[in-house]
Amino acid sequence: GENVEQHPSTLSVQEGDSAVIKCTYSDSASNYFPWYKQELGKGPQLIIDIRSNVGEKKDQRIAVTLNKTAKHFSLHITETQPEDSAVYFCAASGGSYIPTFGRGTSLIVHP
Amino acid sequence: EAGVAQSPRYKIIEKRQSVAFWCNPISGHATLYWYQQILGQGPKLLIQFQNNGVVDDSQLPKDRFSAERLKGVDSTLKIQPAKLEDSAVYLCASSLGSGGSYGYTFGSGTRLTVV
Repeated sequence: GENVEQHPSTLSVQEGDSAVIKCTYSDSASNYFPWYKQELGKGPQLIIDIRSNVGEKKDQRIAVTLNKTAKHFSLHITETQPEDSAVYFCAASGGSYIPTFGRGTSLIVHP
Repeated sequence: EAGVAQSPRYKIIEKRQSVAFWCNPISGHATLYWYQQILGQGPKLLIQFQNNGVVDDSQLPKDRFSAERLKGVDSTLKIQPAKLEDSAVYLCASSLGSGGSYGYTFGSGTRLTVV
């Protein structure tokens, strides 16, 4: 089955800095890569996704890049704000589209 | 639109007891998922329903876990008997259809503590 590795497990930045979270996947058949944000006491919320036919996607301050050859994808958050503090999960899925999740990155943005 | 509703929010039980969780997905969402999220880990799929049929339950510990979605709308997940390692947040999610094209909407989860 699919195996998703996510790094770092914890990321601490100053407000206004950029944050980058990286994930690798094992199954070359995976073709859908969503990112979720989970705030304390809430379920994960889809914030951005990318499919294998696209190398990069951007939505305001967040962007995701995909390198199919290397089997890794990254989440980039620019101009971080305290409300960006949360746990972020990457995921990868294949033909069934049922995602396998990474272990999560706890992002802390210091004001 | 209303989100995915789950109840209860919290549950504490002793090992070997039974427990049930309830989920009401977003109206019109045909696909419903139950995930288990152990502290410090990502969600792990337990079971996927398409309408009232099971699509994937390969990771559901069937000796103690069961789930149903009889009328293709709300769903219940049951654990009987519970073990200490079942302590986790149980998340329900729904989507318009199966597959990544639709994305998931998660509920807030039920936090289960087995003592």
